[in-house]
Amino acid sequence: SAVISQKPSRDICQRGTSLTIQCQVDSQVTMMFWYRQQPGQSLTLIATANQGSEATYESGFVIDKFPISRPNLTFSTLTVSNLSPEDSSIYLCSVGYAPGTDTQYFGPGTRLTVL
Amino acid sequence: GENVEQHPSTLSVQEGDSAVIKCTYSDSASNYFPWYKQELGKGPQLIIDIRSNVGEKKDQRIAVTLNKTAKHFSLHITETQPEDSAVYFCAATGDSNYQLIWGAGTKLIIKP
Repeated sequence: SAVISQKPSRDICQRGTSLTIQCQVDSQVTMMFWYRQQPGQSLTLIATANQGSEATYESGFVIDKFPISRPNLTFSTLTVSNLSPEDSSIYLCSVGYAPGTDTQYFGPGTRLTVL
Repeated sequence: GENVEQHPSTLSVQEGDSAVIKCTYSDSASNYFPWYKQELGKGPQLIIDIRSNVGEKKDQRIAVTLNKTAKHFSLHITETQPEDSAVYFCAATGDSNYQLIWGAGTKLIIKP
């Protein structure tokens, strides 16, 4: 499987600011996803990042709060906007390699704390 | 929609013993069932997966069994070692080809 990196690995942000998280893969992938994992909880899918078009958001997540870009097949960003303490979570990027495949591989995650 | 229940939430076993984690799913159309291991401070790591046309799959000390009739699948770890301590998540495919529905996780503690 490819190497997936995320930047930053962790950050502490002030309420009302925004944080942009980068996900970089060392080979081309078809699918890229963004998840949120609240402390001690399971994974919740935020959106599917689509290359060259708007991301597909899951119920409860909106583009204004979680804008996503995917300019090519190896890179995506997730921005968490207008931060509040409730946004404190781990944000995870995952990838899938081929159309129709359901196997996902995860990056190391970004731990966000909002004060 | 699909719902995945995972039990137990915490499992403590003696080193060298076996551990079993069970998940049940609700959608009979689900056809892919992965298991992930998440160590503290790391992203989930795929450790084994099974598809609906297979009843059992093994990889060294790890095995997964699937009972489609009962709609449950289980992770079996034999000869547990301290490095097996982690949180384990099961998942099942949802309404779309790429959507995974996740269990709540099981914290596995290996006692020396």
